[in-house]
Amino acid sequence: GAGVSQSPRYKVTKRGQDVTLRCDPISSHATLYWYQQALGQGPEFLTYFNYEAQPDKSGLPSDRFSAERPEGSISTLTIQRTEQRDSAMYRCASSPLPGVDNEQFFGPGTRLTVL
Amino acid sequence: KNQVEQSPQSLIILEGKNCTLQCNYTVSPFSNLRWYKQDTGRGPVSLTIMTFSENTKSNGRYTATLDADTKQSSLHITASQLSDSASYICVVSAGSGGGADGLTFGKGTHLIIQP
Repeated sequence: GAGVSQSPRYKVTKRGQDVTLRCDPISSHATLYWYQQALGQGPEFLTYFNYEAQPDKSGLPSDRFSAERPEGSISTLTIQRTEQRDSAMYRCASSPLPGVDNEQFFGPGTRLTVL
Repeated sequence: KNQVEQSPQSLIILEGKNCTLQCNYTVSPFSNLRWYKQDTGRGPVSLTIMTFSENTKSNGRYTATLDADTKQSSLHITASQLSDSASYICVVSAGSGGGADGLTFGKGTHLIIQP
C-alpha cells in the first residue's frame, strides 16, 4: 500500500477484556515497530520485528502484551486483561532496511480507551 | 511538509572524547522533541524529551538543547564510552497530537566510538 495503515482507529473496551490491534506496514519494508504514546508525549518503544523475527521486546510493559508478525508483513499487538493504564495511542511504524535507513513511517495509530 | 534532518549522517570518535549531534526540523505546530538511542539489533530508547519552553535537558552524560526560534536541537555526549556506539534519532511531535503527520523521525546519526 501507499502508507502504513492501522485498525481499528479507535477502540473502547472494558477493563479485563482482551484487545488486538493490527498494523499493515508499507509493503517493501522489512522492519516494523510498535510504540505506545500517552497524550502529549512522544512514543515509547514497545517491540519491533525484522521480517518475522522479533529481536527486541524489552519495551513491552508486562506479559499481558504480545506482538506477532508471522509472515513478515502484517503485525498484531494483543493486550490481554486490559487495565485502565493501558489507555493510550498505539502507533505502528515501518522502516525500509534495518541498520541502513532509520527513517520510520508511521501509521495513524489506534486510540485505545479502557473503561 | 514536516521534515527532520540530522547531521552528521555518521561519526567516528575516540573513546573519552566529546561530540555533538545536530537536528534541524520544520515541523508545525511544534509539540515536543525527543532524542532516542538505538543500539544495533535493539529498539530505540528515549534519552530526553523537550517541550517548547525547555531549552536544555540532561540525562547523565547526554545533554540535549533546543532552540525553538531557529528550530534546531543538539545532543551533546560528554566523555564518550564504547557503549555509546549506536544510532541517535531525533523525533519531533507536531501539536496535532495524532495521525501519521503528528510524528516525524529523522534518519539518525550513526555514532561509532573507537577505543
